[in-house]
Amino acid sequence: SQQGEEDPQALSIQEGENATMNCSYKTSINNLQWYRQNSGRGLVHLILIRSNEREKHSGRLRVTLDTSKKSSSLLITASRAADTASYFCATDGGSNYKLTFGKGTLLTVNP
Amino acid sequence: DTGVSQDPRHKITKRGQNVTFRCDPISEHNRLYWYRQTLGQGPEFLTYFQNEAQLEKSRLLSDRFSAERPKGSFSTLEIQRTEQGDSAMYLCATLGGGRTTEAFFGQGTRLTVV
Repeated sequence: SQQGEEDPQALSIQEGENATMNCSYKTSINNLQWYRQNSGRGLVHLILIRSNEREKHSGRLRVTLDTSKKSSSLLITASRAADTASYFCATDGGSNYKLTFGKGTLLTVNP
Repeated sequence: DTGVSQDPRHKITKRGQNVTFRCDPISEHNRLYWYRQTLGQGPEFLTYFQNEAQLEKSRLLSDRFSAERPKGSFSTLEIQRTEQGDSAMYLCATLGGGRTTEAFFGQGTRLTVV
């Protein structure tokens, strides 16, 4: 079953703007990860934040985690047309390291 | 390229036929997962292998689905008597050993049942 909702479902911005996507989840977690998926392709891991971390950076990516609210956000700064993709959050909180994904945010960056 | 290969990339089949998909993992990764993704949704867990042992199966995996991982290397996912509701992207993902949970996904197999 899906872990929760991503917000917004779709986001359209201009190149150079920042994009913020939010994710909510329902159960306790070990970590939360963000993945990117280009249309019709597999998923690519972007960043992982552990349950005891509150913020993490990687290049143009910034992830925050609020375990009290069971929510996370992904910020992409200075967006590029090549950032156009679907972005999914995934939680690892159960057995066997399997991931539970949200429904994703479709980001469109217009040149 | 994540190093995980899936074959075929696309499969169109008639309802009632059997289909088999293959996943070749990164060679040193002993944990292998199958997920299913329908349009507009995130991937959903189907089953998990550690080496050759199938350790967990989702309730989504009906009796028509079977997965194997002989010798702990490549894996196959077979769907018998396909139904239109089986149309989806089937994704394979692998994890290395230790406590890392960063998953490496294949490009997926897009199944269309007509």
